[in-house]
Amino acid sequence: NAGVTQTPKFQVLKTGQSMTLQCAQDMNHEYMSWYRQDPGMGLRLIHYSVGAGITDQGEVPNGYNVSRSTTEDFPLRLLSAAPSQTSVYFCASSYSGQLAKNIQYFGAGTRLSVL
Amino acid sequence: AQKITQTQPGMFVQEKEAVTLDCTYDTSDPSYGLFWYKQPSSGEMIFLIYQGSYDQQNATEGRYSLNFQKARKSANLVISASQLGDSAMYFCAMREEGFGNEKLTFGTGTRLTIIP
Repeated sequence: NAGVTQTPKFQVLKTGQSMTLQCAQDMNHEYMSWYRQDPGMGLRLIHYSVGAGITDQGEVPNGYNVSRSTTEDFPLRLLSAAPSQTSVYFCASSYSGQLAKNIQYFGAGTRLSVL
Repeated sequence: AQKITQTQPGMFVQEKEAVTLDCTYDTSDPSYGLFWYKQPSSGEMIFLIYQGSYDQQNATEGRYSLNFQKARKSANLVISASQLGDSAMYFCAMREEGFGNEKLTFGTGTRLTIIP
């Protein structure tokens, strides 16, 4: 009954460091995505994937990389952390298809601070 | 481009009263879905309710209902008999229909506080 699992829950980085935020789902969902949440701005899409081997950019992709080698995992890489990347990061997954009603389920979030 | 507008940054409501959270949207696509999520202070995003653009009736899920007015492009969330546990941020989101087009566009949210 795990759903979408994100690790770590909290992370502090120094400017210029790199790191990977992990996301795994056990619901066999084709679609996975990463959002960032900043105060007063709602959630904004960083990158998404509609299946293994397929990724695409969202609204705010700069400074982030993703890959999707398996259906279950969708890691988000920060290449060279900047203070502007201080945020709460959410991973989400859903079935993929024509219909609009595929519900996206979210992980618990990763709170990242870049000093 | 899709856009979601939530004009109420914060609301205070007495316990047991009903509350309406406003959401308006903008899209040129005739087929779309509207979602509401709840984010309590613990931080997780919890799905509450979904409304499809072609659904004939307003969606309901327990104490949650969606007042969908397609011509006005509004999808307000109604919470009946509010409880202290309803205190949270609430986000409205939209997805346009289409294969592989699962991208959600979110509003900026409304912080609801229930007063005992």
